Amino acid sequence: GAVVSQHPSRVICKSGTSVKIECRSLDFQATTMFWYRQFPKQSLMLMATSNEGSKATYEQGVEKDKFLINHASLTLSTLTVTSAHPEDSSFYICSARDLRQGALYEQYFGPGTRLTVT
Amino acid sequence: GENVEQHPSTLSVQEGDSAVIKCTYSDSASNYFPWYKQELGKGPQLIIDIRSNVGEKKDQRIAVTLNKTAKHFSLHITETQPEDSAVYFCAASLAYSGAGSYQLTFGKGTKLSVIP
Repeated sequence: GAVVSQHPSRVICKSGTSVKIECRSLDFQATTMFWYRQFPKQSLMLMATSNEGSKATYEQGVEKDKFLINHASLTLSTLTVTSAHPEDSSFYICSARDLRQGALYEQYFGPGTRLTVT
Repeated sequence: GENVEQHPSTLSVQEGDSAVIKCTYSDSASNYFPWYKQELGKGPQLIIDIRSNVGEKKDQRIAVTLNKTAKHFSLHITETQPEDSAVYFCAASLAYSGAGSYQLTFGKGTKLSVIP
């Protein structure tokens, strides 16, 4: 099956610093990746859609200057949380769409990154 | 936009019993309905999905049914085991072939507890 990895799995940073999270599709190419945010005991909230080679599309209410997304290759997308604050502490999850033949609908998720801002 | 309602929010069953989780969606154009299982501290795992041209799909102990007219779909887990305990999310989307993006709209999740 399709595998998506994220790094790091956990990160603790100080308020005001920036943190980069990587999302990789390991055994397939993904022209589109998605970034979600999940608060405890809540559902996944889509933050942005990342398309390889173009600018990300952000959901309403998500600050694009704070959450920088780069999708430089067909297997890698990065999310950088700039000038992090305690309210940015959350579980960040990426997903990727498998474009291989016969798998045109499925979206596979990474294991998530737990961000804690102190 | 699409809106997905999921019920119940919590569900406890005895090991060996069946569990049913139901979702409704609002956009009649949606054509793809996946179900995800999320264990504590992990990302969601796709367990089964169904497309709008199919009414039912089964994979071992897991089945999903879709009623397009009523705009609802359900997850059925038979012979539940303690390892089935997790949060389950339904989702709906207008998906299409070819390159491009499409969004999944998630339900709020159901915490399933299987009691040994």
